[in-house]
Amino acid sequence: DSGVTQTPKHLITATGQRVTLRCSPRSGDLSVYWYQQSLDQGLQFLIQYYNGEERAKGNILERFSAQQFPDLHSELNLSSLELGDSALYFCASSVVPSGRVEGEQFFGPGTRLTVL
Amino acid sequence: KNEVEQSPQNLTAQEGEFITINCSYSVGISALHWLQQHPGGGIVSLFMLSSGKKKHGRLIATINIQEKHSSLHITASHPRDSAVYICAASDYNTDKLIFGTGTRLQVFP
Repeated sequence: DSGVTQTPKHLITATGQRVTLRCSPRSGDLSVYWYQQSLDQGLQFLIQYYNGEERAKGNILERFSAQQFPDLHSELNLSSLELGDSALYFCASSVVPSGRVEGEQFFGPGTRLTVL
Repeated sequence: KNEVEQSPQNLTAQEGEFITINCSYSVGISALHWLQQHPGGGIVSLFMLSSGKKKHGRLIATINIQEKHSSLHITASHPRDSAVYICAASDYNTDKLIFGTGTRLQVFP
């Protein structure tokens, strides 16, 4: 158990819908990262937050948005869902931002999103 | 050409064999991560390194900054090592992680 929790574990929804994925980082970790893993694209970095502020942005679609709240949990919002959004979404956390020596990341179990 | 390249894509080994997985990157990095993903999907961070060598049990990771190359070694491999191994580079300028495509390892008894 990494100490990072993600809810829900599984999510099945229809095209055009909107969903929210939630992540609680390890106690004491200030950085939260979101990743998408689809069959054809592999693991892709979406976005990183550090202590409530957006720190780095990857290949995140405009239909997706995220935020980190004052209690450091984070939510990833996916809207106008398409079939191609079906994937595993991972959250990870670290004490400091990823580039720093101490920035080892701890991954949550993932949320499997299926868009029908 | 991907910014992070891994080889081989697939690897099979007999229990006890010494295994090497390679990772080359073309971006400036602040750190290189090695991750392990088991068939159930869970991801575990194995190493994060910015220079030299790290060892944890039977796993060893090395990095050569000048050559932009890292290796993950598994000594005395075991069937429970069967997993996908992924290297990822922390881009020095943007701080985002860039992933390799992964190496699927199967170790047979």
